[in-house]
Amino acid sequence: GDSVTQMEGPVTLSEEAFLTINCTYTATGYPSLFWYVQYPGEGLQLLLKATKADDKGSNKGFEATYRKETTSFHLEKGSVQVSDSAVYFCALSDRRRTSGSRLTFGEGTQLTVNP
Amino acid sequence: EPEVTQTPSHQVTQMGQEVILRCVPISNHLYFYWYRQILGQKVEFLVSFYNNEISEKSEIFDDQFSVERPDGSNFTLKIRSTKLEDSAMYFCASSDRDSTEKLFFGSGTQLSVL
Repeated sequence: GDSVTQMEGPVTLSEEAFLTINCTYTATGYPSLFWYVQYPGEGLQLLLKATKADDKGSNKGFEATYRKETTSFHLEKGSVQVSDSAVYFCALSDRRRTSGSRLTFGEGTQLTVNP
Repeated sequence: EPEVTQTPSHQVTQMGQEVILRCVPISNHLYFYWYRQILGQKVEFLVSFYNNEISEKSEIFDDQFSVERPDGSNFTLKIRSTKLEDSAMYFCASSDRDSTEKLFFGSGTQLSVL
């Protein structure tokens, strides 16, 4: 079945450092790929998405590119802020489904940014 | 911004008891979901619900689980006879017809089965 693997965390960075969180996937179909973020005490929020190969999703300074050849969707940000401290989840959805969206999640990566 | 709300935020119950977790999805959304996360494990899909019926369920969602949309606003998950291994954070989510892949999640109900 489908699966998502994230880099083993947690990740601790200083403010303005460069961030990479690795994500690789296996899927039988042609999935859409997502990054969700969960801030303390809140629900998961969609951060960005990409629906086809070589698409780049971006939001709030974060970027991720859909790499079909390496089955990857790594999350990057050039300069992190303390407010970026959260748990980040990579996920995929099989686009062949017509009855809503069933997400398969990675393990989640706790990011802590220190001032 | 509209949001999905879940109640209660924490629920403690004894093994074998029935629990109902409640969710109010975003009002114009048509697809509803339950996910759970056992401590230290991945967020897992339980069930999706559309047009007043289950559209998909995972192998986790056995006969002990049921979902219901009792009125126009609430979406509930019932566990008939809780087990220790049901202890987890349960997330409700919803999405609309035009963007089914963009799920909006609630902040979760932490269920502890003793």
